[in-house]
Amino acid sequence: ETGVTQTPRHLVMGMTNKKSLKCEQHLGHNAMYWYKQSAKKPLELMFVYNFKEQTENNSVPSRFSPECPNSSHLFLHLHTLQPEDSALYLCASSTETGQTTEAFFGQGTRLTVV
Amino acid sequence: RKEVEQDPGPFNVPEGATVAFNCTYSNSASQSFFWYRQDCRKEPKLLMSVYSSGNEDGRFTAQLNRASQYISLLIRDSKLSDSATYLCVVNLGGGADGLTFGKGTHLIIQP
Repeated sequence: ETGVTQTPRHLVMGMTNKKSLKCEQHLGHNAMYWYKQSAKKPLELMFVYNFKEQTENNSVPSRFSPECPNSSHLFLHLHTLQPEDSALYLCASSTETGQTTEAFFGQGTRLTVV
Repeated sequence: RKEVEQDPGPFNVPEGATVAFNCTYSNSASQSFFWYRQDCRKEPKLLMSVYSSGNEDGRFTAQLNRASQYISLLIRDSKLSDSATYLCVVNLGGGADGLTFGKGTHLIIQP
């Protein structure tokens, strides 16, 4: 019933693999976000896109590469990850940045790097 | 540097009891405040916004104290379904990219 859909829900990948996470929002929002949630840590903002333009990259390693082809879709391309990258990756959307607003989250992709 | 601090718990509370937890934030320029709820292995969902005048939604009451820089959440007549992690979220006002999350407080309602 969520307006933000993420696929896959679970992913196990080796350190030499390349995979992509997909996010789609059906809420008519213009801003989309990637967050990382590791055990015992607060949610960490990774990337922000506003009207398809990347407005923030929170010092994320280059092995994570985002792509936003339009305001409804967001991808996170993964390559040569490390075991410490194992976490829950959450996509979120909001009306747009620059406004005090809540974020709506997808159900997340639980990633395990082996 | 901990921008948003919460007691991680767990808080073990009998069903029907009242439970309250607080959250403190470090940036006095913060403009908006929220409580999100996150169930085990699920995504965070907005529970309620927190206004300066305080606000109530059914059994849930949120309060903001700007002078002391803390936010509180009170749950009355707790239900088993209230068991979850409650995330305190502070926004510097730059839109959702300004959201800063606490680690969350884990609440367990016991029958």
